[in-house]
Amino acid sequence: DQQVKQNSPSLSVQEGRISILNCDYTNSMFDYFLWYKKYPAEGPTFLISISSIKDKNEDGRFTVFLNKSAKHLSLHIVPSQPGDSAVYFCAASGVNNQGGKLIFGQGTELSVKP
Amino acid sequence: DTGVSQDPRHKITKRGQNVTFRCDPISEHNRLYWYRQTLGQGPEFLTYFQNEAQLEKSRLLSDRFSAERPKGSFSTLEIQRTEQGDSAMYLCASGKEASYGYTFGSGTRLTVV
Repeated sequence: DQQVKQNSPSLSVQEGRISILNCDYTNSMFDYFLWYKKYPAEGPTFLISISSIKDKNEDGRFTVFLNKSAKHLSLHIVPSQPGDSAVYFCAASGVNNQGGKLIFGQGTELSVKP
Repeated sequence: DTGVSQDPRHKITKRGQNVTFRCDPISEHNRLYWYRQTLGQGPEFLTYFQNEAQLEKSRLLSDRFSAERPKGSFSTLEIQRTEQGDSAMYLCASGKEASYGYTFGSGTRLTVV
C-alpha cells in the first residue's frame, strides 16, 4: 500500500530551466509534507516542507506547492543547477504524529545538464 | 558536531549470521529513527525512540530485528539470523521532539550472501 507516490522515476532538465517534481498521496490524514534530496553514498538531506494549512512555501530557488483537494504536491526548482542533480524524495507525516515517522515516496532522480 | 554517524558503512554477512549496527545521533536531538531503503524505493520506517523509550515499531520490524537506545544517546539495530531479503541500506536519523525535519546519517549498507 503505497500511500505516497512519485510516479516519475527520473527527470532530465537543462541548466537554468525549471525542474518540477511531483508527488501524490492517498491518505487525507497527512498534515505535513517534506522534500528530501539524496546524493549517492549519502543519507537524505532535508530540503523544504509545507504544512497542510498552506498551499505554498518558498525557500530561495525551491518552492513547494500543495493541492489538498487533488492530494498532490510538487517541488519547483528555479533556476536548475547541475549541483541539483540528485534523487528527490517527498515524505508525509500524519495528524498528531509531529516528530514521528515519515512515509516516503519512491524518489525521482533529477539530472540537470549543463 | 559532526552530524549523525553510522557504523559500519558496509557489512557483508552470510545468511543466518547476526549483525549489529550502531548509530550516534546529533547530541542535542532526543529522537532517533531507523529506516530501511532498498533499491528504487524510498526509506521505509522501522522504529523510533524518544530518549531511551521506543515509541513506535513498524510491522516491517519482525522478531528477528531489535533496536535499543539504552541511555538515550547512541542506538543499536540488531538483525538475527539474517536472510537475503534483509539486504538493504539501513538509515539512522535524529531530530528534536515536535520538529518534522530529521537529519539522516549516511547509512549502513548490508549485503547478505
